[in-house]
Amino acid sequence: DAGVIQSPRHEVTEMGQEVTLRCKPISGHNSLFWYRQTMMRGLELLIYFNNNVPIDDSGMPEDRFSAKMPNASFSTLKIQPSEPRDSAVYFCASSPGTHFRDEKLFFGSGTQLSVL
Amino acid sequence: AQRVTQPEKLLSVFKGAPVELKCNYSYSGSPELFWYVQYSRQRLQLLLRHISRESIKGFTADLNKGETSFHLKKPFAQEEDSAMYYCALSSNTGKLIFGQGTTLQVKP
Repeated sequence: DAGVIQSPRHEVTEMGQEVTLRCKPISGHNSLFWYRQTMMRGLELLIYFNNNVPIDDSGMPEDRFSAKMPNASFSTLKIQPSEPRDSAVYFCASSPGTHFRDEKLFFGSGTQLSVL
Repeated sequence: AQRVTQPEKLLSVFKGAPVELKCNYSYSGSPELFWYVQYSRQRLQLLLRHISRESIKGFTADLNKGETSFHLKKPFAQEEDSAMYYCALSSNTGKLIFGQGTTLQVKP
């Protein structure tokens, strides 16, 4: 298994453009998480899904951010319109179960987003 | 409110010195706590979890409910321990919240 796969690895865009980040979780995993990593705030949870259903999106910064999980093997995080303050590394992670608090998360390699 | 606090952004020690990475949490229920590590050019990965009471790569962490802390310790730091360390708390809904992270720099 290749693990959690994220694309693209790097994204450079101009302010105002739409950005779509993609994630393929590990097959069989039921939970999927989107995190944002910055120097100032560390790792912030943006949203997480359980069996493709969004459970908690309270970390989504504002309406410019949206996330979907149309099926068990794919999720997207979209920013429209993008702003320079959105520049960060965005991580996707998955875990096997739904109610196992001691489960570990498996992280993707991240997408380095730069908004100019 | 659920919160994880790592007060140090950077911790720099010499090889062979003891290491303690601090983590404090705020959670009304019974906490499930973890330490994750991100080595240079590698993915973020689980280091240890408090429920397992394990020692991984010489690191241990003890949950202190009285002080609401879960500090990560190692008696003798190695250069290969240099990395970013994140403390994390799992809520009863499976939501995993991370602290701000501490960069550990082990100097030769």
